[in-house]
Amino acid sequence: DQQVKQNSPSLSVQEGRISILNCDYTNSMFDYFLWYKKYPAEGPTFLISISSIKDKNEDGRFTVFLNKSAKHLSLHIVPSQPGDSAVYFCAAGSRDDKIIFGKGTRLHILP
Amino acid sequence: GAVVSQHPSWVICKSGTSVKIECRSLDFQATTMFWYRQFPKQSLMLMATSNEGSKATYEQGVEKDKFLINHASLTLSTLTVTSAHPEDSSFYICSLRWGKGYTFGSGTRLTVV
Repeated sequence: DQQVKQNSPSLSVQEGRISILNCDYTNSMFDYFLWYKKYPAEGPTFLISISSIKDKNEDGRFTVFLNKSAKHLSLHIVPSQPGDSAVYFCAAGSRDDKIIFGKGTRLHILP
Repeated sequence: GAVVSQHPSWVICKSGTSVKIECRSLDFQATTMFWYRQFPKQSLMLMATSNEGSKATYEQGVEKDKFLINHASLTLSTLTVTSAHPEDSSFYICSLRWGKGYTFGSGTRLTVV
C-alpha cells in the first residue's frame, strides 16, 4: 500500500516554463511534507517543505502547495532551468520521525 | 544545515562476503539516523532507524541479522550487509533529521557479484 504516490514517472517541460510536479498521499496522520531532488548515484537533496498547518510555502523558484482536503501537494518550479533536470521525490512525515517517499518523477527540462 | 558524510560511495564485493557502510554526521550530534535502500526506478525505502546506544528499529520485511546496524556514537552509524547476495545490490543511503528537514548522505552503490 503506497502511502505517498507520484503518479507521473516522468515529465518534460520547456526551459523557462513552469514545471508542476504532483503528489498524493493517503495517511491523514502526516503532518509535514517535503520535496527532494536527486541526481543519479547521489543522495537526495532537500528542496522545500511544508507543514500541514500551511497551504503554501515559497522559496525562490520553488513553491509547494498543500491541499489537505484532497490529500494532494504539488511542487511548482518557475522558471524551469536546465539544471532542474533530475528526479524529484515527494515525502511525508509524522511525529515518529519516519518519512515515506514516493517513487519519484523524472523531470526533463527541454532547451 | 547538518552535513552527512557516507563512505564508501561505491563498492563491489563477492557473494558471501560482508560489506560495511559508514555514515558520519560532521557537525551535528545525531541520536537517530535512518538507513534507506533504493532499487532502480523505485522509491527510497526505509530499512531501519538507528538509535545511538541502543538497538536499531527495523522496518517490516528487513532482516536484522543480515543488515547489522551499529550506532556507537552521536556522529557515526554503520550498516553492515552480511553474507551479501546479488539481490542485495542496491543504492544505500543514510539520513539524519536536522531541524525541520532531513539531510542525506551521498549514498553507497553496492554491487554484489
